[in-house]
Amino acid sequence: SQTIHQWPATLVQPVGSPLSLECTVEGTSNPNLYWYRQAAGRGLQLLFYSVGIGQISSEVPQNLSASRPQDRQFILSSKKLLLSDSGFYLCAWIDQNTGELFFGEGSRLTVL
Amino acid sequence: RKEVEQDPGPFNVPEGATVAFNCTYSNSASQSFFWYRQDCRKEPKLLMSVYSSGNEDGRFTAQLNRASQYISLLIRDSKLSDSATYLCVVNLSGGSNYKLTFGKGTLLTVNP
Repeated sequence: SQTIHQWPATLVQPVGSPLSLECTVEGTSNPNLYWYRQAAGRGLQLLFYSVGIGQISSEVPQNLSASRPQDRQFILSSKKLLLSDSGFYLCAWIDQNTGELFFGEGSRLTVL
Repeated sequence: RKEVEQDPGPFNVPEGATVAFNCTYSNSASQSFFWYRQDCRKEPKLLMSVYSSGNEDGRFTAQLNRASQYISLLIRDSKLSDSATYLCVVNLSGGSNYKLTFGKGTLLTVNP
């Protein structure tokens, strides 16, 4: 069966520091992968999605970036964090047959 | 019209009550619709897909009204364990190009 893992689960970072969140999927090949952010009191916002290695589409202009170095690995990065980057970051893959999104357990980021 | 808009809530209901959530979407070409459930500080998980003819899963009933561009979720005989945030999700791009857009969610609290 398919599983999705992301880490770290929680992190507190100072403004201006770099960020790297990692996500891996097991049990499927060539998945469509997504990064969402959920800020306090707001809905899930799609940040990036990827249909294959090296293929990244950005939905919202910002100081974040994403990379897909391997088929089942998706990384979210920032060179310099802002206070507004605080939130709950969720990686997901989609079952193309049903349209169901499966989320990782999330990474809760607090920027101070 | 916002892309996906839900009842703002919150809803506070007693055990055994029936509660209904509504959601409207902007793109008439949308073809995939879902309700997700999110527990506090957890990742969202699929509750049920919404089919054109309407569908039922135990105490939960989902309906789609394409003409008015809204979907609904009805929960009968509410349980304490139903307390969660319910997210309306729409594939606004249509077809198999899955870019799911989430509503902000409606918080439900079922009280003893």
